[in-house]
Amino acid sequence: EIVLTQSPATLSLSPGERATLSCRASQSVSNYLAWYQQKPGQAPRLLIYDASNRATGIPARFSGSGSGTDFTLTISSLEPEDFAVYYCQQRNNWPPLTFGGGTKVEIK
Amino acid sequence: QVQLVESGGGVVQPGRSLSLSCAASGFTFNSYGMHWVRQAPGKGLEWVAVIWFDGSKKYYADSVKGRFTISRDNSKKTLYLQINGLRAEDTALYYCARDRGVGTLGSFDYWGLGTPVTVSS
Repeated sequence: EIVLTQSPATLSLSPGERATLSCRASQSVSNYLAWYQQKPGQAPRLLIYDASNRATGIPARFSGSGSGTDFTLTISSLEPEDFAVYYCQQRNNWPPLTFGGGTKVEIK
Repeated sequence: QVQLVESGGGVVQPGRSLSLSCAASGFTFNSYGMHWVRQAPGKGLEWVAVIWFDGSKKYYADSVKGRFTISRDNSKKTLYLQINGLRAEDTALYYCARDRGVGTLGSFDYWGLGTPVTVSS
């Protein structure tokens, strides 16, 4: 099973700042990595698929990069609605599909 | 628009069974693989099971293998999860989610709001 490790666990930033979230895989997942955003009381929302492709309707301030074992989700300038928990998820070697433990982006 | 609506959750005693449903609308249901994903209170996401668009393949997380059964009725546009031998660690919000691809790619582009399952004596 591929283990995904997200860091940091919590990121404290102000609106307008740049957010950089990391996801590291225990073995290569090629570019088969997705990112999801989850707000309290809501279902997750797909942001990025296959490492760098924005899902439908996702603003351009969200971008993904990386391949192999190291991936990054960048939010170029945080909007108030971006404060949430973010999860990465791999689909390279499954089943099982696996998620990272999440990074909470909170208001500083 | 794509809609997924789960139902069937509740409070159940350990060892009992429960059947969850997910009603789909707004897309060609029989073209997409479907998944169940769960989230324990205050915890992260855990993939539970997948069923291929035509029901020909099914896969499960090790934590539920042998106790959970995923199925679908394409004529009713409904996904199911039969849960037997419930354990305390099965307590979670259960989401159904559509696979992103036409086929089964292993990521999720639409999610329902979830149905809660609480296992307690």
